[in-house]
Amino acid sequence: EVQLLASGGGLVQPGGSLKLSCAASGLTFSSQPVNWVRQAPGKGLEWVSVIGESNNYAFYAESVKGRFTISRDNSKNTLYLQMNNLRVDDTATYYCAIQSWAGIGYWGQGTLVTVSS
Amino acid sequence: DIQMTQSPSTLSASVGGRVTITCRASQSISSWLAWYQQKPGKAPRLLIYVASSLESGVPSRFSGSGSGTEFTLTISSLQPDDFATYYCHQYLAYPWTFGQGTKVEIK
Repeated sequence: EVQLLASGGGLVQPGGSLKLSCAASGLTFSSQPVNWVRQAPGKGLEWVSVIGESNNYAFYAESVKGRFTISRDNSKNTLYLQMNNLRVDDTATYYCAIQSWAGIGYWGQGTLVTVSS
Repeated sequence: DIQMTQSPSTLSASVGGRVTITCRASQSISSWLAWYQQKPGKAPRLLIYVASSLESGVPSRFSGSGSGTEFTLTISSLQPDDFATYYCHQYLAYPWTFGQGTKVEIK
């Protein structure tokens, strides 16, 4: 069974930093690109970032470019998202999502990030 | 960026009824479209990929069609478990984009 366990969310002040993690099991983590997708409270889905199988590429949404950094450690089957200079509109549940030719086949359970003073 | 326009944003339907949700892309995405179902407090669940392929374990009452810029998700006979929010998603190119969602409510 594939499991994606996201962690690291919490309450942070505007301008602060947070690092999310997503631990994967039940699949060959190193063979697939992985994404972060977020959802603000009561809103729709927004793609945030993707990283290639072997850290060979990374892309970001314009809204987070220059502030967020995606990374992965295939030896630990773990995905990360370093979030700096957080803004109130970054408040959302952040999902890690395994990419395949079918879109997103596996989603994590999400971790809530709240940016507020 | 490829814009995804989903309609309607909300629909009310009865158990046993037929439901159709439309998604339009701002440019051709061939068949690189997926549909997801999301229930409150839960992660989305993949229903349909490459526009018309049914994900394993998804009931056959769900179907997808379309290519290019116009896509449809159909639920042939709505069941109580189907009341949820549905999203389309283009994965032809980054940045990936999603439709704004369609909430299916009980009539």
